[in-house]
Amino acid sequence: DQQVKQNSPSLSVQEGRISILNCDYTNSMFDYFLWYKKYPAEGPTFLISISSIKDKNEDGRFTVFLNKSAKHLSLHIVPSQPGDSAVYFCAASARRDMRFGAGTRLTVKP
Amino acid sequence: DVKVTQSSRYLVKRTGEKVFLECVQDMDHENMFWYRQDPGLGLRLIYFSYDVKMKEKGDIPEGYSVSREKKERFSLILESASTNQTSMYLCASRAQGRGHSYEQYFGPGTRLTVT
Repeated sequence: DQQVKQNSPSLSVQEGRISILNCDYTNSMFDYFLWYKKYPAEGPTFLISISSIKDKNEDGRFTVFLNKSAKHLSLHIVPSQPGDSAVYFCAASARRDMRFGAGTRLTVKP
Repeated sequence: DVKVTQSSRYLVKRTGEKVFLECVQDMDHENMFWYRQDPGLGLRLIYFSYDVKMKEKGDIPEGYSVSREKKERFSLILESASTNQTSMYLCASRAQGRGHSYEQYFGPGTRLTVT
């Protein structure tokens, strides 16, 4: 039973437009949420995170929003660039562990 | 610069063989993790270790065991490899405690094929 879910396996957007990636979780004990980016043949790299005491965190073109009541978070990329094309994983942590979603493959078209 | 290394990038083993996957981190991190990545399933947690000689089962521990004798090294063991263990295996580490973020650092992965 997956505790972190990314229901969209893929997303395609035009360069310069906004990319919105979504993530839902079921475990109310999760108190920290992260987004990772993964290129083929490489390990995931950390992108941005948010604590459960916040509802928004921004870092350059990347913003993560957290809606605790809905157990939902999203990653916004504005403006999207072709180099953003990768698989994006949502992750959630409670104390010592970390759980990941299935990933969303983002393709940004020039 | 942070570094997590895995002993092999590609590995081919036969059914029934004992397989060792090694992971080493140079950041003095307390926590270490083993995941497997499969299409459509994302990263699934196999085992994690929050300190030397300590381990906890993740979501899919069956068929695997782990060893953490030294802080920097976390080994994943497949006692008797089976074809359904063909996968990409990813190791990660993370600092634990106040003032540290929850960010994990990943190794490059080991693509294991069991024939």
